[in-house]
Amino acid sequence: EVQLVQSGAEVKKPGESLKISCKGSGYSFTTYWIGWVRQKPGKGLEWMGIIYPGDSDTRRYDPSFQGQVTISADKSISTAYLQWSSLEASDTAMYYCARRSTMMGAFDIWGQGTMVIVSS
Amino acid sequence: DIQMTQSPSSLSASVGDRVTITCQASQDIGISLNWYQQKPGKAPKLLIYDTSNLDTGVPSKFSGSGSGTHFTFTITRLQPEDVATYYCQQYDTFSGTFGPGTRVDIK
Repeated sequence: EVQLVQSGAEVKKPGESLKISCKGSGYSFTTYWIGWVRQKPGKGLEWMGIIYPGDSDTRRYDPSFQGQVTISADKSISTAYLQWSSLEASDTAMYYCARRSTMMGAFDIWGQGTMVIVSS
Repeated sequence: DIQMTQSPSSLSASVGDRVTITCQASQDIGISLNWYQQKPGKAPKLLIYDTSNLDTGVPSKFSGSGSGTHFTFTITRLQPEDVATYYCQQYDTFSGTFGPGTRVDIK
C-alpha cells in the first residue's frame, strides 16, 4: 500500500524549533516529489513548498514561506521533513505532506497531517 | 504569482441535485488544474487532475472541464457522502496555488 505517514502532534512555545516528518512507503520514494501544505484552523489549503528526494538540492518554496521554513529529505530512510528554527503563534496549523508525480502536478497521496500548536 | 478564485464560497443543495463550482485563474494556466475534496477532520483527496481526468477509483459522478483561466467542477446526483469542501489547485513545475475552497452541504 502506498502511504505517507506523518509524525505526531506537537505543542511548542514561541521561539522554539521544530522538525516534523513524513515517511513514504509502498513506492519509489526518490522518483516522486513531496510537497507540504498548511491549513490553519478553519481555513483553506496553502501550498508551502516542494522537494525532490532523488536530488534534495531540488526544492522550491512559495514566496510566502521562503525563509520561514526549511524542507529537506533523507532518501536513505524515505522521509521528508519540514522544520522551523523559531516558531511563532501564527504557525499554529495542520501540516500535510503529499506526493506529486513527475508526470502530473497533482498531489495524489496525502499524509494524515501533523497538528502543530504554538502557544505560550 | 497566480491567484485562484472559486465561486460560490459555499452552497447548499438537495440530495440528487447537480452541483457546479467554478474556479478562475489570474492568468492562463492551460489545463494545469486539479480538484480536491476535503471532508471534515480528514486530509484532502485528489478527485480530478489536469482539468478533466478522474483519479483512480473516483466515481464518474465527479467531472471537470475548462482551460486557460476558467474551469468548472460538477457533481451529478449529490449524495450525503459528498458533503465536503472542494478546492481547485493550479500548478506548474515549482508551485501550486490552491483556491479558497467551496463548502458543499445538503439542504
